[in-house]
Amino acid sequence: EIELTQSPGTLSLSPGERATLSCRASQSVSRSHLAWYQQKPGQAPRLLIYDASNRATGIADRFSGSGSGTDFTLTISRLEPEDFAVYYCQQYSKSPETFGPGTKVEIK
Amino acid sequence: QMQLQESGPGLVKPSETLSLTCTVSGDSISSSSYFWVWIRQPPGEGLEYIGSIFYIGSAFYNPSLKSRVSLSIDTSKNQFSLKLTSVTAADTAVYYCARQGSGYFQQWGLGTLITVSS
Repeated sequence: EIELTQSPGTLSLSPGERATLSCRASQSVSRSHLAWYQQKPGQAPRLLIYDASNRATGIADRFSGSGSGTDFTLTISRLEPEDFAVYYCQQYSKSPETFGPGTKVEIK
Repeated sequence: QMQLQESGPGLVKPSETLSLTCTVSGDSISSSSYFWVWIRQPPGEGLEYIGSIFYIGSAFYNPSLKSRVSLSIDTSKNQFSLKLTSVTAADTAVYYCARQGSGYFQQWGLGTLITVSS
């Protein structure tokens, strides 16, 4: 199966700052079949990005995804208070679908 | 707006079988565009894909759980279900049902916490 690693484990930033989250795959993710999710405490994950760079319906344009092959990035251009959460990447290039361990974005 | 709602026992004894049902509203589970999936998250940990089922009953399982998992679907009730046998404390988790389109998980239920304990 494809293993995903995310870095950093925790990102401490202030509102208004830019957040850059990394997701690396153990083998190439074909056709950029990678998604990003946001999860807040006590809530289900919410789809943010699919196919590496496409925003899901209703997602603010401060969220953007990029990358291909084995290296992918989620960028939040200017952090809003509601963006402090845990972010997971997920690959659907090869079965079984797998998730990364998550990056926690916390208020500095 | 489509919604998914998990239902289950909350507490299951070790070695017994966990049974969960997901009820879908606002969308037909018979759509050929989607798979219906189960994902779990142990307390304080990450997400694990359990398996997917298509409306005609074709199912796919995570190899790590395949020997203990069974998915089923009831299109007449717009529901799909999960059975996990021989549970241990390691199966304690929040269990989510979700709709999967083109590989990613578009819509999620709120989740239900299942605790395995005697």
